[in-house]
Amino acid sequence: RKEVEQDPGPFNVPEGATVAFNCTYSNSASQSFFWYRQDCRKEPKLLMSVYSSGNEDGRFTAQLNRASQYISLLIRDSKLSDSATYLCVSANTNAGKSTFGDGTTLTVKP
Amino acid sequence: DTGVSQDPRHKITKRGQNVTFRCDPISEHNRLYWYRQTLGQGPEFLTYFQNEAQLEKSRLLSDRFSAERPKGSFSTLEIQRTEQGDSAMYLCASSFNVGSRQLYGYTFGSGTRLTVV
Repeated sequence: RKEVEQDPGPFNVPEGATVAFNCTYSNSASQSFFWYRQDCRKEPKLLMSVYSSGNEDGRFTAQLNRASQYISLLIRDSKLSDSATYLCVSANTNAGKSTFGDGTTLTVKP
Repeated sequence: DTGVSQDPRHKITKRGQNVTFRCDPISEHNRLYWYRQTLGQGPEFLTYFQNEAQLEKSRLLSDRFSAERPKGSFSTLEIQRTEQGDSAMYLCASSFNVGSRQLYGYTFGSGTRLTVV
């Protein structure tokens, strides 16, 4: 079992739709969580950090449930430009590295 | 300083040859990481440095792989006796950490795409 698991999708949604991605992590020592966005053949770019209290950045909302070891990303009012792969990441403060999921692919269609 | 720089962008090499990649991190960042990514997979951790000290190396990394970060500035990743299975995108990232906690996540370079023929 992978340390960070995501539904690979693909998710195909029309413009304006709301879409949610889920992610589970197995390392209970993980302390920091992030969502990254990766466009085709490009490097990952930080989308947002994920806090226990939940956080929102415009159309994007991230939630963390430590008890269930579950992270989510909600995208409202999807735009064509949101089409990308979204990577869920957990970071363990006792180790230096971050662990990436394999990503969820989103395609937003006109 | 405009971000993390990696060189070269692309590398095609014959099986059995050695290759070396370079990464220049964001100067204010104190950690540097190397990851490898293949199609359809997320980035896979290889190794990381805190300043010039290499603090962790993946168990998946064979002895053919070595990384250095002299003087805590740029880093190099060398692969000796390349194999076709080494073909991948090699990503470098840097971050600013307080203790072991990442404050703002990673900034990745554009990567070096290695093809072993």
